[in-house]
Formats: sequence, C-alpha cells, structure tokens
Amino acid sequence: SQTIHQWPATLVQPVGSPLSLECTVEGTSNPNLYWYRQAAGRGLQLLFYSVGIGQISSEVPQNLSASRPQDRQFILSSKKLLLSDSGFYLCAWGHRLSEAFFGQGTRLTVV
Amino acid sequence: TQLLEQSPQFLSIQEGENLTVYCNSSSVFSSLQWYRQEPGEGPVLLVTVVTGGEVKKLKRLTFQFGDARKDSSLHITAAQPGDTGLYLCAGVWEYGNKLVFGAGTILRVKS
Repeated sequence: SQTIHQWPATLVQPVGSPLSLECTVEGTSNPNLYWYRQAAGRGLQLLFYSVGIGQISSEVPQNLSASRPQDRQFILSSKKLLLSDSGFYLCAWGHRLSEAFFGQGTRLTVV
Repeated sequence: TQLLEQSPQFLSIQEGENLTVYCNSSSVFSSLQWYRQEPGEGPVLLVTVVTGGEVKKLKRLTFQFGDARKDSSLHITAAQPGDTGLYLCAGVWEYGNKLVFGAGTILRVKS
C-alpha cells in the first residue's frame, strides 16, 4: 500500500533562517506531488505541484520554492523565512487530478 | 474567479442529531471530493463523486452530487463525538487542471 511521510511534524524557526521540509512517498511510482498551506485550520491553498522529476509548477508568488530531485521526493524550501510563512504545510500525492492523499503535515512557526 | 463555497462555516450539535453541510459553486465540476481533517493532521479522503445526481453512502454519512454538478452535500445521521472535525470539499473544475478546496465546515459534536 502507498504511504506518505512528511517531516518534521513541528518546526520553530527564526525570521531570516532557511527552511527545508521533506516529503517522500512509498508504494507507488510517478505520482503527482503537491505542497499545500493551510491557514487557521481552514481551507487549503495550493503552493506547488509536480508531475515529474524536476518539473515544478508554482501557483502563487511567494517566498518559497519547491524541488523534486527524485520521483517520490518533494522538498519545500526557503532561503530566508518571513513571519508570514508561518502555517500548516501539507504534502500530498495522487495519480489523478481528482485525488490527493495527504501527509501528516508540518506546523511551522516563524518567530 | 471560480469559488467553492462551504456552509455553514461552523456547526455545533448534540450527539444523536442529524446535520447537513453544503458545498456550492457557480461552475461545473468534473469531480468532487469530501475530506475530513482532525486538528494537527492531514485531511483524509472520504469520497469522490463524478456523476450528476450521484449518491454515495459511507456508514452514517451520505454524499450527494447535484444534478448539474455544481454543488454537493454531506449528510450525517445520528452524529457522534467522533465525527468532530473539519470537513472540506474539493473539486476539479470542468476543463480545470487542479484540485481546489473550499474553506471547510468545522463540526463539533457534543456528548
């Protein structure tokens, strides 16, 4: 069966520090991969999606970037965090546009 | 701008009551999903509907897709405290290329 791992679960980082969140998927190949951000426990905003290695589409201009160095690995990064980057970050995978299977999420607090 | 609106935003009921939450749009979906999310965790997919008028049941949960594929509802019968959580609808617009989420309905079931 497929599983998705996302870490760390919580992270507290100072303003101006770098960020690297990692997500890996097991039990499937060539998945679509997604990074979402959720504010205040409500709706999800799509940040990046990838349909293959090295292929990244950005949905909103921001202080973050994403990379997909391997088929089942998706990384969310920032060179210098802002206070406004705080939130709940979710990685997801799917094989069809209509599906998204989520990881456990990372609670990021920028102080 | 295509919007996916959920109502109510918040619902607090007693154990054993019935409830319905709604997901509406002015645009047509090619498919629609319902997710449930508990605090600090990722959303979990409950159901996908693709055909106008489709009804799916998952134990005490009944999901309906509107005939015109512009709206959906989730009905819970005899709610239990374990049903507490954030219910999110998400859909792929007809001719769209990504999954978009509503803002969610926060459900609290009191014992």
